[in-house]
Amino acid sequence: QSALTQPASVSGSPGQSITISCTGTSSDVGGYNYVSWFQQHPGKAPKLIIYDVFNRPSGVSNRFSGSKSGTTASLTISGLQAEDEADYYCSSFRTSRTSYVIFGGGTKLTVL
Amino acid sequence: EVQLVQPGAEVIKPGESLKISCKASGYNFTKHWITWVRQMPGKGLEWMGMIYPGDPDIRYSPSFQGQVTISADKSINTAYLQWSSLKASDTAIYYCARVIRVLSWGAMDVWGQGTTVTVSS
Repeated sequence: QSALTQPASVSGSPGQSITISCTGTSSDVGGYNYVSWFQQHPGKAPKLIIYDVFNRPSGVSNRFSGSKSGTTASLTISGLQAEDEADYYCSSFRTSRTSYVIFGGGTKLTVL
Repeated sequence: EVQLVQPGAEVIKPGESLKISCKASGYNFTKHWITWVRQMPGKGLEWMGMIYPGDPDIRYSPSFQGQVTISADKSINTAYLQWSSLKASDTAIYYCARVIRVLSWGAMDVWGQGTTVTVSS
């Protein structure tokens, strides 16, 4: 099953804003508001930072925000901090012959 | 505190079977999906499937259907992932994770620490 498409890497300087895209199809990102974003630091389990396109779980900084337009979802991180350097993954509900969840390939964020 | 506890590591030979566990605490185990996610060495996350212990309802990714079996024992708040015959290519970290709400299948808010499965002769 093909993964959602994310850029392999993005970078930004402290204090700047960056956006990571997650492109799918009408069978997943474009058809449902069930897109989530995860942050994963090396050697750690992933952490949920956005769900249902734009909702933040309790305790997640408001520097993280999510949006969607058509078949592309986006994660924006404002006021970049050194600790934001990590891998970021999107996920979406997908329906084809059956229903399941698909992840993006992941994006490495480097804080310069 | 809501927690999912997994064994840290398993080392197993090719062709052998394995069942790994995920013990939940701090919430109503029967009211949230539990998802299994694979991460191969140096690679991204892959959704394998999930179980709703209250029914139980079980869903699999097409990529993993027939390759693994997901189950749960609600009497001891534990979910399981099992293989009947492991291959070297099954070497990976396997995470269990709780889904935040029933309809948001891909939104896992609580994660286990992961079980590193090494398949080697």
